[in-house]
Amino acid sequence: NAGVTQTPKFQVLKTGQSMTLQCAQDMNHNSMYWYRQDPGMGLRLIYYSASEGTTDKGEVPNGYNVSRLNKREFSLRLESAAPSQTSVYFCASSEFARSSYNSPLHFGNGTRLTVT
Amino acid sequence: TQLLEQSPQFLSIQEGENLTVYCNSSSVFSSLQWYRQEPGEGPVLLVTVVTGGEVKKLKRLTFQFGDARKDSSLHITAAQPGDTGLYLCAGGNAGNNRKLIWGLGTSLAVNP
Repeated sequence: NAGVTQTPKFQVLKTGQSMTLQCAQDMNHNSMYWYRQDPGMGLRLIYYSASEGTTDKGEVPNGYNVSRLNKREFSLRLESAAPSQTSVYFCASSEFARSSYNSPLHFGNGTRLTVT
Repeated sequence: TQLLEQSPQFLSIQEGENLTVYCNSSSVFSSLQWYRQEPGEGPVLLVTVVTGGEVKKLKRLTFQFGDARKDSSLHITAAQPGDTGLYLCAGGNAGNNRKLIWGLGTSLAVNP
């Protein structure tokens, strides 16, 4: 059982280049998330998808776009990378039940992105 | 704005010592999750506490949720090198994972 799989693990981009980070989960979870983690800033939500077919902005969406391709896959696209987007990006998934307490998040192992 | 403050920020101890880390807020949360993150990996859930005053034990780790549901603590007994990592707390409100509030974490190093 792989859980949440992210690709690539490492990436170096030049300013202005574009790329897509891929994420897939095999736990049949409804909700998926993209976070970035930076020293001194902690985990910040970029975008989230409560269920297949829906996406919503998080705390820091500027410069990013997402696609919920199907229930398993949720991709994050940087159209024109900037040095401020140098970070570690994590994809996560969870069950979603509106009337229940927060379901735990299951994280992938991250993509380490450097923009020069 | 809800905030979660974790303390201490860094902790370096010897194997066998006990320690407590804290997660504090001025806001009430319906649940508090604790995660551990090892270098090069994503956070992994340790426990969720949902009831004020609740205490949960996971082997040598003891988690407590404050009576007012504004704070939580994690106590580790007889720490081992395998406990090394970043401990993160996340506060949430019912049915709204998008609104999880994350602390900045406590980085723990347990030296053999």
